[in-house]
Amino acid sequence: QVQLVESGGGVVQPGTSLRLSCAASGFTFRNHAMQWVRQIPGKGLDWVAVIWHDGNNKDYADSVKGRFTISRDNSEDTLYLQMDSLRVEDTALYFCARGGNYYGSGSYYRMDHWGQGTLVTVTS
Amino acid sequence: SYVLIQTPSVSVAPGQTAAIPCGGNNFAMKSVEWYQQRPGQAPVLVVHDDINRPSGIPERFSGSKSGNTATLTISRVEAGDEADYYCQVWDSGSDQVIFGGGTKLTVL
Repeated sequence: QVQLVESGGGVVQPGTSLRLSCAASGFTFRNHAMQWVRQIPGKGLDWVAVIWHDGNNKDYADSVKGRFTISRDNSEDTLYLQMDSLRVEDTALYFCARGGNYYGSGSYYRMDHWGQGTLVTVTS
Repeated sequence: SYVLIQTPSVSVAPGQTAAIPCGGNNFAMKSVEWYQQRPGQAPVLVVHDDINRPSGIPERFSGSKSGNTATLTISRVEAGDEADYYCQVWDSGSDQVIFGGGTKLTVL
């Protein structure tokens, strides 16, 4: 079965960096887009970034552009989110989610499986 | 930037039908996805590409789209359907995923 397990969250100070990881299993990772979505507890879903199945295309929310970098290692079935210049407003639960299959049908940007999230707290 | 508008809350009695709307522009060119998020849990995809149900999602969940409104309809509502529901699209104009603000479904 599809499994996505995030790690790397923690408590950090503003201006510092953190790298999140998402270990994927149970599917052909290299065929699927992957995404990061965050959520402040009690608030709505906030999209962060998407990376294409082959890693050649990446898109970001305006709020993180230039500070966050999404990447993937298709040999290790792992997704990453490098977060630099962290701000208090980046505090949230960060989910990784599986996107569509590039070689399949349907929206490439739907998110059909989600991890349980890793909590990032940015505080001075 | 592209915006999806959702009603903050919808209430329905058990056994009745809940309709959760999502408003946006140029919907005809976009695929709408719907997610259910129960308290303390990760979101679950319940409808994709406007009208399609992933495997394992009950037939009581259906999606539709007309004009500038997409709708998630839940028939024969159960207590377990109480959750937040989010619509989502890909906006090719900004190359970004857009989520609606979410609708809290309360089962009376």
